[in-house]
Amino acid sequence: SQKIEQNSEALNIQEGKTATLTCNYTNYSPAYLQWYRQDPGRGPVFLLLIRENEKEKRKERLKVTFDTTLKQSLFHITASQPADSATYLCALLTGGGNKLTFGTGTQLKVEL
Amino acid sequence: EAQVTQNPRYLITVTGKKLTVTCSQNMNHEYMSWYRQDPGLGLRQIYYSMNVEVTDKGDVPEGYKVSRKEKRNFPLILESPSPNQTSLYFCASSPTARTDTQYFGPGTRLTVL
Repeated sequence: SQKIEQNSEALNIQEGKTATLTCNYTNYSPAYLQWYRQDPGRGPVFLLLIRENEKEKRKERLKVTFDTTLKQSLFHITASQPADSATYLCALLTGGGNKLTFGTGTQLKVEL
Repeated sequence: EAQVTQNPRYLITVTGKKLTVTCSQNMNHEYMSWYRQDPGLGLRQIYYSMNVEVTDKGDVPEGYKVSRKEKRNFPLILESPSPNQTSLYFCASSPTARTDTQYFGPGTRLTVL
């Protein structure tokens, strides 16, 4: 069956460290993968998109990698800050290119 | 301001009473979609629309209807709500399904008693 797995346990890190979140998928061949941020009670906000033929994408303190052989994406936040605390969702373009399917998200807590 | 709006933001209703949650976007986007979000299950797509008069089922369409008569509006209709439809609902839009960004609305928290 098709699955998108993100670590359901919260990730707690210290301010200034690099946070690394994982998104693994099975039985998908996504054209691209997206990462979103969601704060409690609010809609997800788009952060980054990486295509199947790209290995890495960066935006300010954010970096995403995409390994289609391992079927895995890693999402890094460098020099993390308490304001980065949120739930981060990965999403794959599926359904022949018409649908986004989301993982369940990983909660990140950045402590002082 | 470019945005997706949803109404109502909060709704408590009773089983079987038909309701409509409205969604509107002012960005001239072709693609619109409805999701529900439940603890432990994440965001699941209910229906999506590639353009006016073009809609298709997502992963959990049972018990829901949609229509897309105008580009900007994509209402979600629950003809006979049941308690298992208690959830947080999000509408989203994007220029096309293959675009960089989906813009999400603020969410509608629905409780069906």
